[in-house]
Amino acid sequence: AQRVTQPEKLLSVFKGAPVELKCNYSYSGSPELFWYVQYSRQRLQLLLRHISRESIKGFTADLNKGETSFHLKKPFAQEEDSAMYYCALQGAQKLVFGQGTRLTINP
Amino acid sequence: GAGVSQSPSNKVTEKGKDVELRCDPISGHTALYWYRQRLGQGLEFLIYFQGNSAPDKSGLPSDRFSAERTGESVSTLTIQRTQQEDSAVYLCASSSDRPIAGDNEQFFGPGTRLTVL
Repeated sequence: AQRVTQPEKLLSVFKGAPVELKCNYSYSGSPELFWYVQYSRQRLQLLLRHISRESIKGFTADLNKGETSFHLKKPFAQEEDSAMYYCALQGAQKLVFGQGTRLTINP
Repeated sequence: GAGVSQSPSNKVTEKGKDVELRCDPISGHTALYWYRQRLGQGLEFLIYFQGNSAPDKSGLPSDRFSAERTGESVSTLTIQRTQQEDSAVYLCASSSDRPIAGDNEQFFGPGTRLTVL
C-alpha cells in the first residue's frame, strides 16, 4: 500500500533559521515524490518533484530510499514561506498525499 | 488555456438538503481527483477518476457522497442529505496521463466552500 506520513502537523521557526519539513513514505515499488504548497488564499500548487532535482524558492528535497524519506529543506527561512506543505507519492495508480504540515515563519 | 475551474465558489445550504458541486478539469487531462479540506486540516482524498477505468471511490466517507464524470471532462460531486460535518472546502484536481515519469503534476481548482447550517 502507498502511504505518506508527515509527522509534524505544525512547525514554527524564526526568520533566517533553517527549516526541515519531514516526509516518510511506504511503497514497495520505485516512488515518485513531490512537495505541494498552499499559500494563504491561493490554490494548492506543485513546489518541486524529486525527479527534477531542482531547487525552488530555496527549497530542496532529497529522496533517501534507505530511510524512505523525502524531507523538504531550506537553509534560511523567509516570512513568505509560511504556508501549508504537503508531501505526495505517485505509485502505480493515484497520487497519495500526506496530512500536511503548516509552517509558520516568525519575524 | 484556463486551469481547473470549480463552481460554485461558495455554497450555503441547510442540513438535509442535497448539493451538487462541479469541476471542469484542464482539457486533455484524463485523471481527476476530488478532495475535502476541513478548516485548518489537511487534504482528505475522496474519489479518483482515470480515463475509462472504474473510479477509485475508496475515500468517500459515506453513501451520501457520490461522483460522476462525463468521459474525460466535467465531474460532479453530489452530497445527499447534507450534515453539518460536511462543511469544508471541496477541491478538484486534474492531471495528464503519464507520458514522462515524474511528470504527473496535479493542477488544483480554487475549491468550493460548502457551509451546512
